[in-house]
Amino acid sequence: EAEVAQSPRYKITEKSQAVAFWCDPISGHATLYWYRQILGQGPELLVQFQDESVVDDSQLPKDRFSAERLKGVDSTLKIQPAELGDSAMYLCASSIGQGGTAEAFFGQGTRLTVV
Amino acid sequence: QQPVQSPQAVILREGEDAVINCSSSKALYSVHWYRQKHGEAPVFLMILLKGGEQKGHDKISASFNEKKQQSSLYLTASQLSYSGTYFCGTEIIGNYGQNFVFGPGTRLSVLP
Repeated sequence: EAEVAQSPRYKITEKSQAVAFWCDPISGHATLYWYRQILGQGPELLVQFQDESVVDDSQLPKDRFSAERLKGVDSTLKIQPAELGDSAMYLCASSIGQGGTAEAFFGQGTRLTVV
Repeated sequence: QQPVQSPQAVILREGEDAVINCSSSKALYSVHWYRQKHGEAPVFLMILLKGGEQKGHDKISASFNEKKQQSSLYLTASQLSYSGTYFCGTEIIGNYGQNFVFGPGTRLSVLP
């Protein structure tokens, strides 16, 4: 069964360091989402791609976060410099439809701890 | 923009029923329901694409009241495997077009 692949699963980094997460969506899924989930809360949308274009990055802290999906397939989310408050689960999801018209499939996430 | 979910948490005995509600201050265009177990990724349960729609599989069903801008998830004869946090995800029209946002979650614990 096709899955959304994310790596690494776990990352510990010191504050002020750079960190990057990778996501490979399900083949054929044009929509890709990056979410941040703090323990005990719902996923918070950081950025949404439709193919290689950013559809919504209004909640992305652009002074330190960046995201790209250069060929409209896999995607990278970067944080530089990392801050203590960035500790969270970073989830990638993909969907065959745009917006909320089709189910989103989630990867296992990357749990980031900033020390 | 985030939808509101109620209750925040519920504890059930195996075999009991539960209802989880999701409401929005903005017009809803679709509603998704996901379940997340501790330490795992959210798993899709169902999607409702239009007002009045009701769906279900096994003993979990949902309804979508477009006029009231709300959806409800019904769990009947709950099983231990139903434990987890349930999130509604709603498609709304935000400042940047169609946005898909999740609610804060409802933690469901089913006890033997």
